[in-house]
This record gives sequence, C-alpha cells and structure tokens, in this order.
Amino acid sequence: GDSVTQTEGQVALSEEDFLTIHCNYSASGYPALFWYVQYPGEGPQFLFRASRDKEKGSSRGFEATYDKGTTSFHLRKASVQESDSAVYYCALGDMGYKLTFGTGTSLLVDP
Amino acid sequence: GGIITQTPKFLIGQEGQKLTLKCQQNFNHDTMYWYRQDSGKGLRLIYYSITENDLQKGDLSEGYDASREKKSSFSLTVTSAQKNEMAVFLCASSLGLGGWAEQFFGPGTRLTVL
Repeated sequence: GDSVTQTEGQVALSEEDFLTIHCNYSASGYPALFWYVQYPGEGPQFLFRASRDKEKGSSRGFEATYDKGTTSFHLRKASVQESDSAVYYCALGDMGYKLTFGTGTSLLVDP
Repeated sequence: GGIITQTPKFLIGQEGQKLTLKCQQNFNHDTMYWYRQDSGKGLRLIYYSITENDLQKGDLSEGYDASREKKSSFSLTVTSAQKNEMAVFLCASSLGLGGWAEQFFGPGTRLTVL
C-alpha cells in the first residue's frame, strides 16, 4: 500500500537557519503530495500541495518540489523563526478520499 | 470561514468502557474523517464518510464504530476502551475528495484510559 517516510523525528535549529525536512513516498499511480503543520494544542493545518512532477508548492516561506524520479517532496525554508516551531507532516493523497500521513517531524527553533 | 468543534476536549475512561466522541462542522462539507494520532506514529485513518448516513472503514477501524446522522456531524465510538490507552482523536472535513482537497481539522479529543 501507499506509504510516506519522514526520516527526521526531531529537528533543532536556531533562528535564521536553513530548514530541510525530508519526505519520501511509495505509491502506485500518481499521488498528490501535501505538507501539513500542527501547532501545540491544535489540529493540523494545510500548508500546500503539489500534484505533478516538478511542481513546486509553497506557503508562508516554506516550499517543496514534487520529484517523481526520487519519490521525494522535501520541505525547505531559507530562514526559520521561533514561531515556526511545530510538528510538520508530509502526506500522500490517492486523488480519492484518502490521505496517508508520515510520522511527523517536530521542529524546535531557538530564538 | 468555518470551524470544526470536537467534544469533549479531554475524555477519561475505564478499561472496557464504551466511549463516544463528537464532531461538528459548519463548513457545509460533504466529507468527514476520524483520525487517531499517537506519538511517533502520525495520523491514521479510522473512518470516513462522504455524505450523510455513509460510512467507510479506514485502516484502523477495528474497535471503533462511527455514525453520520447529519451532514454537519460525525460521531466516533470506542467500543471497548483498552487499559493504559492514550491517544488524540482528530476529526476533519473536506469540500471534495480528501485525497486531493485540503482537509480542515478540529483541535482533537485527548483520550486517557485508566
């Protein structure tokens, strides 16, 4: 079945550092790829989506590029802020009703 | 805009107890979801519903029942709570296909079983 792998369970950075959170997927067909962000005490929020090879999704300074060749959708941000501290989830959509989530990456940014 | 409300916010139960969690949305979305969130395991789909009175099993449906009697509400029942179980249950809704469209999440119900 479909699966999403996030290799980093936790990432600790200082403000203005460059962020990369890795996401690789396994799926039959051509899935949609998502990033969601979850702040403490809240449900996840949609960040952005990409649905075709080489498409870049972006929002709030975060971006990721759909790469069918390496089956990846890595999240990047050039300069993180303390307010970016949250849990980030990569997810794969089957273009139907189902979304498969990765295990999440907890980002902690020191001021 | 809209909002998803989940009740209760915290739920403490006893082993073997039947427990019900409720979710309401005012987006007028057709599709609603229940997910279970465990530390280190991400979100796993329990049930979803594409319209009133429809129920579809997710990957983790064993041990749960669901009910969608109105378009705006979706309930989840833990049929027999397991001792020492701790998890967050998240309700979500989407306008169209949730594997394509943005899903909107509620704040969650935190379950503890003693």
